[in-house]
Amino acid sequence: AQSVTQPDIHITVSEGASLELRCNYSYGATPYLFWYVQSPGQGLQLLLKYFSGDTLVQGIKGFEAEFKRSQSSFNLRKPSVHWSDAAEYFCAVGANSGNTPLVFGKGTRLSVIA
Amino acid sequence: DAGVIQSPRHEVTEMGQEVTLRCKPISGHNSLFWYRQTMMRGLELLIYFNNNVPIDDSGMPEDRFSAKMPNASFSTLKIQPSEPRDSAVYFCASSWTGPNQPQHFGDGTRLSIL
Repeated sequence: AQSVTQPDIHITVSEGASLELRCNYSYGATPYLFWYVQSPGQGLQLLLKYFSGDTLVQGIKGFEAEFKRSQSSFNLRKPSVHWSDAAEYFCAVGANSGNTPLVFGKGTRLSVIA
Repeated sequence: DAGVIQSPRHEVTEMGQEVTLRCKPISGHNSLFWYRQTMMRGLELLIYFNNNVPIDDSGMPEDRFSAKMPNASFSTLKIQPSEPRDSAVYFCASSWTGPNQPQHFGDGTRLSIL
């Protein structure tokens, strides 16, 4: 079964600074990988997804993520953070066979300071 | 396009009362998921359906919890009797069936059991 770890519970960055949120997965084959964002009082919104091909994936709101098979990682990045990016971010992994649902990490809360 | 619609958005009720949460998935999606989110336990998958059939309910915490999907456009999650520890935000999500299909989340129902 697949699993995902988000090592950072909470990260604080200054507005305009770059951001990297870590995600490590465990799965025996190439997984399907997703990043979601949850703003306060709302549900999870899909930021981007990786299935195959180019290992650098572009998403909405200026986010990107890079799949690194050798490190079993799928880190989320943004070159310049805006105050509106403050939210909870979830990494999720899907198996590439069968019908098992996505497995979500426990999330990383991002705070943005002026 | 209408997203996943959940009702009510907020529910406050007394311990022992029956609570029914409702979900309308995105039209055409054939998988539906119920999650519970708390500060302590994060996002937990309670149950999911494929083509209106419950596939895995191992995440349902107790027999007090039940879920139904009588047709492709409606699902309910019922708690009877409710207890204070059931207080949480409950999310419904839907997707096309398949491990590479992203889930689309509703805005959740914030449930408070007094």
